[in-house]
Parts: sequence; structure tokens; C-alpha cells
Amino acid sequence: DGGITQSPKYLFRKEGQNVTLSCEQNLNHDAMYWYRQDPGQGLRLIYYSQIVNDFQKGDIAEGYSVSREKKESFPLTVTSAQKNPTAFYLCASSAGTGFNSPLHFGNGTRLTVT
Amino acid sequence: AQSVTQLGSHVSVSEGALVLLRCNYSSSVPPYLFWYVQYPNQGLQLLLKYTSAATLVKGINGFEAEFKKSETSFHLTKPSAHMSDAAEYFCAVSDGAAGNKLTFGGGTRVLVKP
Repeated sequence: DGGITQSPKYLFRKEGQNVTLSCEQNLNHDAMYWYRQDPGQGLRLIYYSQIVNDFQKGDIAEGYSVSREKKESFPLTVTSAQKNPTAFYLCASSAGTGFNSPLHFGNGTRLTVT
Repeated sequence: AQSVTQLGSHVSVSEGALVLLRCNYSSSVPPYLFWYVQYPNQGLQLLLKYTSAATLVKGINGFEAEFKKSETSFHLTKPSAHMSDAAEYFCAVSDGAAGNKLTFGGGTRVLVKP
């Protein structure tokens, strides 16, 4: 079955360490996204990529970095510059970039930084 | 800039009763509107979307939503709640621009009582 795989499901890190979250899709989608979810705040867009080797900042990109070297992969690095990294991170993809291309989500990675 | 407001972070309904989740949006252009559902520790799944065709939109699992431009609302309803409807629901808006970027509301968690 096609879908989006995020790993690991739970991740624990010490403050000051960089950490990379994995996102892989086998839907052959062109666009991929990273969202951060905090209780009561909904989802906020971190980065998105419409095509391989290209990506744009979302609303809360500070302290994060991404790469898009392959169509199926869009890893997110949470750097030590991110002041409040503990959150639930969701990766998504869509076939196109218009409103008629709904987002497909992975099951998320819960990151805890202490 | 777009924004979405979901009235009520928690809603409790009895099994068999009407489910009503409120969503109001702000957009400078004709909006595209979406409702997503999230089950515990999972990603989001699209329930339905409004893309300027019919104002009453039917989705999966018996849900529907009505777009009311005069009220800038897109409320989600289901005539009869089922235990399996217990989840968190998110309203989202897109301006249709390239990137398929969605702005999400804060979410409404639904509890279904037997």
C-alpha cells in the first residue's frame, strides 16, 4: 500500500543536540510538507517542497532545516537553535500544489527534548 | 493573511446525537476550505473540502459541511454521533496559491458518550 512513513514514532534528545526526523513517501507525489503540532494551536507549516532540490520556508522555519535530494524523501533537522523543539511533527505530501491535491499525512514523530 | 477560528477546543456529545463543530475563516480571496480528522497519535485524514462548487459538501463517515460566505463560516455536522467519531477535528483554509499551503485552526476534540 502506498503511503507516508515517518520514523521513529518517538524520539528523545538532550537540549543542544541536532536531530533529524525521517519522512519517506511511495505515492510518487511531487510536493512534501512538514508541519508542527502543539496542543491547542493546530498545525503550523515549517517547510515545504514542490519539487526535488527545491524547498521554501513556511511560517515557523527558524531553527529547522530540510533537504529534498530525492522525490520520495524529505528529512527535517531540528537544530539546537530551535528554542522550543518538543512537539508532534507531521510530514505530508500531495500530488500537485493546487487546492485540488489534498494532503496525505504520515503518522507523525513525537519529539521530546530535555 | 488567512486565519481559521474553531469555536470550542472540546465538544462532548452523546452517541446518536447531532455533532456540530464550528469553523470561521478569514481570507482576502475566495477560500478553499477543508476539514480533517485526527485519531490519537496518528496523522490527519481528509474528511471533506469546499472548492467553490456546491455550498453543501458531503464527506466521508457521514459528515457534511456548509459554506456560508455571508457568515464566513464552514461548520461541520453529522446527524448522529457514533463512538468511532471520537477524535480531533481540524478546519483549514487555503488561498489556492501555488504550494497548497494550508492554515489550520486550533482543533476541536470530540468526546462521544455512550
